[in-house]
Amino acid sequence: AQTVTQSQPEMSVQEAETVTLSCTYDTSESDYYLFWYKQPPSRQMILVIRQEAYKQQNATENRFSVNFQKAAKSFSLKISDSQLGDAAMYFCAYRSDPGANSKLTFGKGITLSVRP
Amino acid sequence: NAGVMQNPRHLVRRRGQEARLRCSPMKGHSHVYWYRQLPEEGLKFMVYLQKENIIDESGMPKERFSAEFPKEGPSILRIQQVVRGDSAAYFCASSPTLTGPYEQYFGPGTRLTVT
Repeated sequence: AQTVTQSQPEMSVQEAETVTLSCTYDTSESDYYLFWYKQPPSRQMILVIRQEAYKQQNATENRFSVNFQKAAKSFSLKISDSQLGDAAMYFCAYRSDPGANSKLTFGKGITLSVRP
Repeated sequence: NAGVMQNPRHLVRRRGQEARLRCSPMKGHSHVYWYRQLPEEGLKFMVYLQKENIIDESGMPKERFSAEFPKEGPSILRIQQVVRGDSAAYFCASSPTLTGPYEQYFGPGTRLTVT
């Protein structure tokens, strides 16, 4: 079974600074997808970024980018130019079996606070 | 295009009562997933359904919990004889029929409180 580990329960960043959130996972599969979801106080789950395991290039979405290290099974999220609206819980998630619909396996999450 | 709809948003039940949670997927999506989030925890997969079929219920407790996704109407997660430990946020997600790096679109969740 796949597992996702987020070992940092909380992090804090100064507005406009850069922060990196860590995530590791365990799997025996070679093809899979990785995701970062944001959960603000409204509790709505919002997709931040996704990475396909077969792609060596790290995904980027505006101020959000990932550092995907397949051999190390590491998938960290970097938020540049942090904004107050970035304050939320962030969950790393794994999905196997790219050719079919299947479940997401989530980490426990990390609470990010942004200091003005 | 409306997003994933869940109702009710908040549900209070006394121990022993039944809870029914509803989920309407996004238009054109025929795959529905239910997840449960306990306080201070990540989301845990419960069940994956397609229209009229349960595909994967490996995360569903063996007793008191059931789910359905009928040909017409929303998906229903039913919890019989609720206990305090069932208090959690229950999220529904849907995805389209196409394969590929699709995301699962989440509803706003139903917060169940058992008193």
